[in-house]
Amino acid sequence: NAGVMQNPRHLVRRRGQEARLRCSPMKGHSHVYWYRQLPEEGLKFMVYLQKENIIDESGMPKERFSAEFPKEGPSILRIQQVVRGDSAAYFCASFAGSSYEQYFGPGTRLTVT
Amino acid sequence: GENVEQHPSTLSVQEGDSAVIKCTYSDSASNYFPWYKQELGKRPQLIIDIRSNVGEKKDQRIAVTLNKTAKHFSLHITETQPEDSAVYFCAASRAGFQKLVFGTGTRLLVSP
Repeated sequence: NAGVMQNPRHLVRRRGQEARLRCSPMKGHSHVYWYRQLPEEGLKFMVYLQKENIIDESGMPKERFSAEFPKEGPSILRIQQVVRGDSAAYFCASFAGSSYEQYFGPGTRLTVT
Repeated sequence: GENVEQHPSTLSVQEGDSAVIKCTYSDSASNYFPWYKQELGKRPQLIIDIRSNVGEKKDQRIAVTLNKTAKHFSLHITETQPEDSAVYFCAASRAGFQKLVFGTGTRLLVSP
């Protein structure tokens, strides 16, 4: 019973490049949340998606960030024209919808040089 | 929106002692309160949670209490062990379809 999968685990990008982070939820889960954790800080909500729908994007920066969860394939968090301040750990969490628990993936650690 | 405050930010105890971490929340509609343990470089792991229809829940050495009137909840770890050393986060949300709002974390250090 595979858990939440994220890849890549580590990603290095130069300023101005694009970063694509992928998240595959647990089997049977159709809800995905993305959270960002800055160094030495707590987790901040970014976006909540169901298959083919963005439910809540109130935590997403207005520019450069986008997310999708297509009918087939993983959820993708895309950051365009990365800046040093985007360096953080990005975690996705999946949720079954039939219970309350959110289960976290191992995270993608993005470093912008 | 919801705001969760967590105290203390760091907590050092001797092995075998108890540790208590406290959180307060602002949104009276919040009804789900999980606690996560995060070791360095690892994912947050759910260790215990409580829903607003109960006041206390226990799982071996870990317990959580909830006071809805005062809008605060606490994590209690008894007989602490060095492997309990980690950062602990509390969180709050409405039901199961809402985002988790996290506290700022407590770094627990258990010394042998």
